[in-house]
Amino acid sequence: QQQVKQSPQSLIVQKGGIPIINCAYENTAFDYFPWYQQFPGKGPALLIAIRPDVSEKKEGRFTISFNKSAKQFSLHIMDSQPGDSATYFCAASKETSGSRLTFGEGTQLTVNP
Amino acid sequence: NAGVTQTPKFRILKIGQSMTLQCTQDMNHNYMYWYRQDPGMGLKLIYYSVGAGITDKGEVPNGYNVSRSTTEDFPLRLELAAPSQTSVYFCASSYPRSGSPYGYTFGSGTRLTVV
Repeated sequence: QQQVKQSPQSLIVQKGGIPIINCAYENTAFDYFPWYQQFPGKGPALLIAIRPDVSEKKEGRFTISFNKSAKQFSLHIMDSQPGDSATYFCAASKETSGSRLTFGEGTQLTVNP
Repeated sequence: NAGVTQTPKFRILKIGQSMTLQCTQDMNHNYMYWYRQDPGMGLKLIYYSVGAGITDKGEVPNGYNVSRSTTEDFPLRLELAAPSQTSVYFCASSYPRSGSPYGYTFGSGTRLTVV
């Protein structure tokens, strides 16, 4: 079964800190790795995504690092703010699967002022 | 406003009752999905559809049914509600394009409690 394992389950940092959320996958056919951000009472929203042909992608304060050989990818949030407090999901899919995403278990991030 | 609309937002069902969760999108996306979200378990795919008239099972389809008669609508049916179906349900849509990154647009969810 295709799986994506995410850690940690919860994370607390101080404002300005750099939280790091890690994900590992099993299926080497996966070719698309997005991260979703979810605020309480809302649906997840696409934050940033990467393909396996690059090792890093940065958008604003959010960076994905990708290690194809280790089958791992991670999300880094630079200069974290209290407004970044949310649940973050990593996911993976392969184009031939009809874009069905397999999600990690989620990480609840709290950024204290 | 463009997006994915889910109704109702909240619902309490008694064991054995039936209900339909509604989902509609106005972005002309051909792919639609139903996920359930349980604490610490991430999002699990229930059913998905790649176009009108085409549906397929996801990871956890038991106890649910879907239909896709139009591009816009993708309702999820619970026939005999069970406490194990207490969850938050999300509908999503996407428009995959070969060679380009694509993302899901999620609705705001339906919180269902079965008592």
